[in-house]
Amino acid sequence: GNSVTQMEGPVTLSEEAFLTINCTYTATGYPSLFWYVQYPGEGLQLLLKATKADDKGSNKGFEATYRKETTSFHLEKGSVQVSDSAVYFCALRNFGNEKLTFGTGTRLTIIP
Amino acid sequence: GAVVSQHPSWVICKSGTSVKIECRSLDFQATTMFWYRQFPKQSLMLMATSNEGSKATYEQGVEKDKFLINHASLTLSTLTVTSAHPEDSSFYICSARPSGRANSYNEQFFGPGTRLTVL
Repeated sequence: GNSVTQMEGPVTLSEEAFLTINCTYTATGYPSLFWYVQYPGEGLQLLLKATKADDKGSNKGFEATYRKETTSFHLEKGSVQVSDSAVYFCALRNFGNEKLTFGTGTRLTIIP
Repeated sequence: GAVVSQHPSWVICKSGTSVKIECRSLDFQATTMFWYRQFPKQSLMLMATSNEGSKATYEQGVEKDKFLINHASLTLSTLTVTSAHPEDSSFYICSARPSGRANSYNEQFFGPGTRLTVL
């Protein structure tokens, strides 16, 4: 079956620090990979996605590269801001299937 | 655009009572909605897929008589937790998938969640 393992939090960083949140997956076939973000009091929002190996998803300064050889999709940002404080979820979906499989979420707090 | 609301945002109820949670797509139509459950420090677990005008499809291990789902319109799905017990206390999240060809990636839009506490 499918599974997603992501870095446990909480993660606390200073503003302008470099961010990495690790995500690895197990899946049959060739899944699409996603990062979702949940800001306080709001629903999960799609942050970025990649649909095939070596694709790089990017949005709002965040990036993640689909690495098939290491079954990973680590989230990175070069310089975080206080407004990036949120919970981040890694997820996958098999091709032709609408069901999402989520990781446990990583709470990120950025301090000024 | 693509906003999904849930009501209530939190609810406390006594053991044995039933609780209804609403999920609405505010600015789009959704043939399909999904219900998830999240325990503390655990991932979102899909409970069921709700299809407008037909019976919901439940994931393995989810009791359909316990968690009643009704998707009576293209903008509203409801989850009723019947005869709730303390072990049903959790965070319930819905998502909605816009209908139509424009949504080629089957993207889902999520509600903010409902915190249920059963005493």
